[in-house]
Order: sequence, then C-alpha cells, then structure tokens
Amino acid sequence: DQQVKQNSPSLSVQEGRISILNCDYTNSMFDYFLWYKKYPAEGPTFLISISSIKDKNEDGRFTVFLNKSAKHLSLHIVPSQPGDSAVYFCAASAGGSQGNLIFGKGTKLSVKP
Amino acid sequence: DARVTQTPRHKVTEMGQEVTMRCQPILGHNTVFWYRQTMMQGLELLAYFRNRAPLDDSGMPKDRFSAEMPDATLATLKIQPSEPRDSAVYFCASGRGGLAVTRTDTQYFGPGTRLTVL
Repeated sequence: DQQVKQNSPSLSVQEGRISILNCDYTNSMFDYFLWYKKYPAEGPTFLISISSIKDKNEDGRFTVFLNKSAKHLSLHIVPSQPGDSAVYFCAASAGGSQGNLIFGKGTKLSVKP
Repeated sequence: DARVTQTPRHKVTEMGQEVTMRCQPILGHNTVFWYRQTMMQGLELLAYFRNRAPLDDSGMPKDRFSAEMPDATLATLKIQPSEPRDSAVYFCASGRGGLAVTRTDTQYFGPGTRLTVL
C-alpha cells in the first residue's frame, strides 16, 4: 500500500503557463515533504521542501502548498519553461529525520514551447 | 562541486551472476542510502547507513542482497545471485542526516547504475 501517491503519471503544459503537480499521502506522521526533479540518465535532485508547520513555501518560480487536513500537497511552477520538462517525485518523511524518505512514483512533466 | 559518484553506470549480466555496485558519498556526509527505481514501484529505499552503521535494510531482499560500508568513502550493494527481476536503476544518495529542516540536509543522489539481468 503506497503511502505517497502521485496519481498522474504525466502532465503536458504549454510554455509560460502554470504547471500543477499533485501528491497525496496517507501517513499522518509525515511532517516533512520534498519535491525532487529528475532528468533522464541522472539522479533525482532536490527542488523544494516544506515542513508540516507551514502551508506554503516559495522559491522563485516554484511553490509548494501543503493541506494537512486533506493530506495533500502540490507543486506549482509559474511560468513553466521547456527546461522544466522532467520527472518530478514527491517524497515524505516522519519525525523530521532524513533517514527514511518515502517517494511517490513520479509525474513526468512535458513543457511544450 | 561535490557529487555522489556511482560505478558502474551500466551493467548487463546473466542470471545467477554476482553484481557489485559501488558508491562514493560526498565527503563529510554521514548518511548513505541505496534506492532502486523500477517502472512498477517507483523509487524504493533498500537500505541506509549512518556513520557507516546499517540503520535500516528492511527494504532489501535479504537472501540475495547485501549492503556494506567498508569505509567512509565507499558503499557497496551486492546481489548474489542476480535474477531478471532485479533489473532496475540503483541510486545511491548521501546526506548529513541532521534533524534541522534545511536545504543542506536533503539527500544528494548519484547518477545511478542501470542493471540489466538477462
């Protein structure tokens, strides 16, 4: 049973528009959430994170929103650029520790010029 | 620019053969993780170490997989004997493993080893 779910395997967006990637989780003990970005033939790289004490964290074009009551988080990319085309993984951990990140299966984002 | 390195980048082998994958974590990082990525399961944690001691290997099939850290600069993941279902990309990641919720405490991934078992 997956604790972190990314229900959309893929998403296609026009350049300049907003990309919204969604993630749901089931474990109420998760208190730290991250998004990783992965290009082909490379390892995932950290993008942005949010602690459960917040409901929003912004870094440039990237914003993560957390809705604890719904056990849902989303990543917004505005404006989307072709270089954002990659697989995005949502991850979560419990207890504030980095020791055990649970990843979703990823969403492949394609940003078309 | 410090990076996690993994060797080999690609490995093709036959069923029953032993496979050893190596990882050099970023200098100064005290936690090392092994992940496996497959189409069906996504990214799964296999094992992780803190200060070279294994903390959790519950994600690893114990009968054929083993993970070790002979020293602080080398982590190994071994499969013996390998099976076709082990075909996947294996990632190593390292981190500082602290409790502070800061960007520097995230995990840094290597480029992965793509394993194909025929």
